[in-house]
Amino acid sequence: KQEVTQIPAALSVPEGENLVLNCSFTDSAIYNLQWFRQDPGKGLTSLLLIQSSQREQTSGRLNASLDKSSGRSTLYIAASQPGDSATYLCARLGAYNTDKLIFGTGTRLQVFP
Amino acid sequence: DGGITQSPKYLFRKEGQNVTLSCEQNLNHDAMYWYRQDPGQGLRLIYYSQIVNDFQKGDIAEGYSVSREKKESFPLTVTSAQKNPTAFYLCASSVPPDTQYFGPGTRLTVL
Repeated sequence: KQEVTQIPAALSVPEGENLVLNCSFTDSAIYNLQWFRQDPGKGLTSLLLIQSSQREQTSGRLNASLDKSSGRSTLYIAASQPGDSATYLCARLGAYNTDKLIFGTGTRLQVFP
Repeated sequence: DGGITQSPKYLFRKEGQNVTLSCEQNLNHDAMYWYRQDPGQGLRLIYYSQIVNDFQKGDIAEGYSVSREKKESFPLTVTSAQKNPTAFYLCASSVPPDTQYFGPGTRLTVL
């Protein structure tokens, strides 16, 4: 069974800290790995997409890495701000079935002033 | 102003009633998707459509139905056969295998 796991489930940190959110997946045959942000009661917003052939992607204070051999991806948030408070979800698109994204259960982040 | 919209934002269903959730996109995307989100369980795929007049079951299709008569529209009907429909429903569209773009969601509550 294809599974995607995210640790920790919840995280509360003071403003300014650098953060690492973890995503692990059981099947390393991936097409791409995606990170999304979800604000409470809202839809998902795409943050970063890492293709299978890539090791990392960066956007502003966000950096996502991919290690297929170990089945892991990490999302690094630099200098966290209260506006970063949201749930972060990773999702895996399989190499042999690009029809369906498999989502993790998310990490709920709270950054307090 | 391109995007994907869902309506209504909140929906209440009585026992034994069918309800339909709307999803519209003007992004010219071929593929559209419906997900269900429950607390602590992430997103689960209900149905998806790669092209007009064609759709496939996802992981939890029982009690749901869809149609894809137009490229822009992919409505989801929650039937009375769905015994636990209270959840947050999200629609998405994409040009596979690129990233999916999500609507704002519909929160369905059973009275």
